[in-house]
Amino acid sequence: DAGVIQSPRHEVTEMGQEVTLRCKPISGHNSLFWYRQTMMRGLELLIYFNNNVPIDDSGMPEDRFSAKMPNASFSTLKIQPSEPRDSAVYFCASSSLPALSGSTDTQYFGPGTRLTVL
Amino acid sequence: EDQVTQSPEALRLQEGESSSLNCSYTVSGLRGLFWYRQDPGKGPEFLFTLYSAGEEKEKERLKATLTKKESFLHITAPKPEDSATYLCAVHASGGYNKLIFGAGTRLAVHP
Repeated sequence: DAGVIQSPRHEVTEMGQEVTLRCKPISGHNSLFWYRQTMMRGLELLIYFNNNVPIDDSGMPEDRFSAKMPNASFSTLKIQPSEPRDSAVYFCASSSLPALSGSTDTQYFGPGTRLTVL
Repeated sequence: EDQVTQSPEALRLQEGESSSLNCSYTVSGLRGLFWYRQDPGKGPEFLFTLYSAGEEKEKERLKATLTKKESFLHITAPKPEDSATYLCAVHASGGYNKLIFGAGTRLAVHP
């Protein structure tokens, strides 16, 4: 299995521009997570999808952030307009358990997208 | 509020010098505790899952243990290639498969 795939790996943009990050989860996984990692705040969950439906978006910092999952093999995280404080590494992770199965399962992470907003 | 605290923040070891990393957690009910390894510029890589107090798991030079309040990651005779940041995360009972991560321990093993 190729694992979780993210693109681009690096993105440099100017303040005010739109940024779109992409993720392909592991085939067969039905849970997808977007995280942001910074030195100050560590790994933070932004949004969680189960069976392509957003379940918890309470971690999305503000309305400038949006995420979609149009099908089981693709998700996007969009920032519009971007700001310098959005600079971070954004990770996508996937796992195979249903949302409220009552048990836990391993989340497998992609390589991340390093975003720099100038 | 669910909370995960890792210590120390950073650890420097000589090759062969065994040590332990600590992960203390406060959760309403533990469904699972996870250890990940993260190399610079890469995503977290899964190491272990522990489910109940008293459980232990091993992989090469790493051994993870769990009590009702904390988990330890023991590193025996480390090598330079063990240098990485080690992250601990908990899945609390109730709700979906949401992980709360600690800040991590940066381990440097010198030859």
